[in-house]
Amino acid sequence: QVQLVESGGGVVQPGRSLRVSCAASGFTFSSYGMHWVRQAPGRGLDWVSFISYDGKLTKYADSVKGRFTVSRDNSKNTLYLQMNSLRADDTSLYYCAKENTPVAGTGSDFWGQGTLVTVSS
Amino acid sequence: EIVLTQSPATLSLSPGERVTLSCRASQSVGSSLVWYQQKNGQAPRLLIYNSSNRATGIPARFSGSGSGTDFTLTIDSLEPEDFAVYYCQHRSGWPSSFGPGTKVDIK
Repeated sequence: QVQLVESGGGVVQPGRSLRVSCAASGFTFSSYGMHWVRQAPGRGLDWVSFISYDGKLTKYADSVKGRFTVSRDNSKNTLYLQMNSLRADDTSLYYCAKENTPVAGTGSDFWGQGTLVTVSS
Repeated sequence: EIVLTQSPATLSLSPGERVTLSCRASQSVGSSLVWYQQKNGQAPRLLIYNSSNRATGIPARFSGSGSGTDFTLTIDSLEPEDFAVYYCQHRSGWPSSFGPGTKVDIK
């Protein structure tokens, strides 16, 4: 069965960096685009980033552009989000999510349970 | 950037009632609109994609409609497990975005 397991969250000071990971299993990881979506405590969903199946296309929300970098290692079935210059408003539960179909644009059918990133001094 | 608005913010209903949730886009997204359900402490669950296509395993009581800027998610007869928050998301170009959500709670 499809599994997405995020890791790497924690408490980090403003201005510092953190990398979170998402280990995928149960499907052909190299065939699907992947997303990062975050959710601040008690708030709604906030789309963060997308990477195509082959890593050649990456997209970002305006709020993280220039600070966050998404990447993937298809040989390790792992998705990454490098977060630099972190701010208090980046505090959220970070989910990785799989595209529903190999053709992007049909939503995300599997989600991890999230990894919590807290930005605080 | 496309902004999605959802209405109402909260609905208080009883099991068995019919529910209609609205999602409006600030500009046309064609049919590239997705609906999710999220329960407390859980990851979102994909319900509907491309405005009206039910995702795998989603019961027939859930249906979606609309195109352009106005979209609707309908639940024909609320089951106890349907009380949750519902989000729409557009997938018409980048950046993608979510609506603020509609909470459906028990009256």
